[in-house]
Amino acid sequence: QSALTQPPSVSGAPGQGVTISCTGSSSNFGAGYDVHWYQQVPGTAPKVLIYGSRYRPSGVPDRFSGSKSGTSASLVITGLQAEDEADYYCQSYDGSLSYAVFGGGTHLTVL
Amino acid sequence: QVQLQESGPGLVQPSGTLSLTCTVSVGSISDGYWWSWVRQTPGKGLEWIGDIHPGGTTNYNPSLKSRISMSIDTSKKQFSLRLTSVTAADTAIYFCARENYHDSRLLDYWGRGTLVTVTS
Repeated sequence: QSALTQPPSVSGAPGQGVTISCTGSSSNFGAGYDVHWYQQVPGTAPKVLIYGSRYRPSGVPDRFSGSKSGTSASLVITGLQAEDEADYYCQSYDGSLSYAVFGGGTHLTVL
Repeated sequence: QVQLQESGPGLVQPSGTLSLTCTVSVGSISDGYWWSWVRQTPGKGLEWIGDIHPGGTTNYNPSLKSRISMSIDTSKKQFSLRLTSVTAADTAIYFCARENYHDSRLLDYWGRGTLVTVTS
């Protein structure tokens, strides 16, 4: 059971948008720790998509955006493209557990 | 662009010891970042194993703490993981990554991962 909770799967048609939620607690997001989002294409390593809750590394399209409020965080993807089909993970630090924690991952299907 | 590469046996016998090394081939290992190990299993997703500072300070996942040790050799730009008394549950893809310790443990560069299978 992950310290961060994500929906197992989401889907959307090309051009549409989707939101992936990540629910934490008072010991991670609620304690002020940021959320990071990773995209993982099967067979490859996770890649940073959003860091510091809302910042995009260079090279990540602005179709991807992140936010955090209270004990929850969200990743929004607009203008879905076939290449966005992948697994998405949220990650933060938990002050009570004293280690980095991940969500269980969300598989995005582009219909 | 930091590059990391995991190396080590792909097969380990039950009750044996898993040993992996991560080599930082591009970039410095001693510029203030920490270095992490993460594993991925189909059933449990991504799991943080532990991290190590270039000075040798370590943090371990409590669920694995009794079985793991990590070390670092800055002259070789390598850090290592040892996991003892392995079982089938330790079968996973093991990744090494660079960790931003003070940024909610952001893992900004990852190795490609290496599959370790525990089997007799």
